[in-house]
Amino acid sequence: GDSVTQMEGPVTLSEEAFLTINCTYTATGYPSLFWYVQYPGEGLQLLLKATKADDKGSNKGFEATYRKETTSFHLEKGSVQVSDSAVYFCALSLSSNTGKLIFGQGTTLQVKP
Amino acid sequence: DAGVIQSPRHEVTEMGQEVTLRCKPISGHNSLFWYRQTMMRGLELLIYFNNNVPIDDSGMPEDRFSAKMPNASFSTLKIQPSEPRDSAVYFCASSLTSRSYEQYFGPGTRLTVT
Repeated sequence: GDSVTQMEGPVTLSEEAFLTINCTYTATGYPSLFWYVQYPGEGLQLLLKATKADDKGSNKGFEATYRKETTSFHLEKGSVQVSDSAVYFCALSLSSNTGKLIFGQGTTLQVKP
Repeated sequence: DAGVIQSPRHEVTEMGQEVTLRCKPISGHNSLFWYRQTMMRGLELLIYFNNNVPIDDSGMPEDRFSAKMPNASFSTLKIQPSEPRDSAVYFCASSLTSRSYEQYFGPGTRLTVT
């Protein structure tokens, strides 16, 4: 079945370091891909998305490119800030167009000053 | 605009008691989702509704859990009887349509069953 696998955390970085959080997926058809972020004590919120192969989603300095050949959607940011500390979830839409999302297990990012 | 509203934000109850969690989706959104988040199991989809109709409840753990959506602006998730293993954060989310994958999450209800 459809699934999402993320790198295990926590990921601990110093401020201004480069961030990569790996995400790979298994899916039938052509899913859309998403990154959601959860700040402490809050619900998830959409960070960026890509709906077809080679699309790049970007927001708040974060980027991710939909790579069909490697079934990946890695999240990157060139210079992280302490305020980026959160849990990041990779997700895909089911090809059945039901609106249902499949989430990865989440990766905790801790950025130290 | 108000986002997704959940109540209560925190609930502490004793094993065996009935618990009801409430959700008000964003006005105009036609799809509503209930999730459960725990350290052990991560984020799990319990059930979701399109136009107030339950579409997929395969994630509901067992018969102790039930969910309703009597109208477009209100949904409940009920646990009866509650057990300690139900302790988790429960999120409600809504989206504009069944084909709109941007889901808007509420702040969650932290449930503790002692």
